[in-house]
Amino acid sequence: DAMVIQNPRYQVTQFGKPVTLSCSQTLNHNVMYWYQQKSSQAPKLLFHYYDKDFNNEADTPDNFQSRRPNTSFCFLDIRSPGLGDAAMYLCATSRAFELYNEQFFGPGTRLTVL
Amino acid sequence: KQEVTQIPAALSVPEGENLVLNCSFTDSAIYNLQWFRQDPGKGLTSLLLIQSSQREQTSGRLNASLDKSSGRSTLYIAASQPGDSATYLCAVKENTGFQKLVFGTGTRLLVSP
Repeated sequence: DAMVIQNPRYQVTQFGKPVTLSCSQTLNHNVMYWYQQKSSQAPKLLFHYYDKDFNNEADTPDNFQSRRPNTSFCFLDIRSPGLGDAAMYLCATSRAFELYNEQFFGPGTRLTVL
Repeated sequence: KQEVTQIPAALSVPEGENLVLNCSFTDSAIYNLQWFRQDPGKGLTSLLLIQSSQREQTSGRLNASLDKSSGRSTLYIAASQPGDSATYLCAVKENTGFQKLVFGTGTRLLVSP
């Protein structure tokens, strides 16, 4: 089945220790998104890739970076995680500018920072 | 700046009851509106997507309506079941710039047997 896959599902890191979260998709969608969702809050867009073009949200901290080596994969790098970065990280994909333009989400990675 | 509000924040109903979840948004210049379901600790599952030109969409026991001019959408769940217990989020896709999704904080639904 075509889908969005995130690894790992649960990640524990130490304060200040870099961590990388992974997302892959078999939908062949040209847009990939990373959202941060803290407990009982709405998902918040961090950035997205439209093909190879990277688009950062204005209020995304510099501590968060992303890489998209090819259409299928996208990575979220947190350079120096703080306690406030503990959250669920959601990856999503879509086809840009199609009529229905639906976003499809992965299962998420829950990040714990000790 | 687009803001999305969902009321109520939490809802508890007995099995079999019909219920309505509400979503309101401040800027009517939207491309579409999407309803999602989120189980505890899990990702988002898309339930229904309504284009800005549409008034409603139906899937099984779910019916979503959209009144763009008044900035409102409702999700109607018929004959609720315990398996419907989850958080329901609505999100609007803005009709400007890159058309990003703006989410509400969700309604946490509990259906008791």
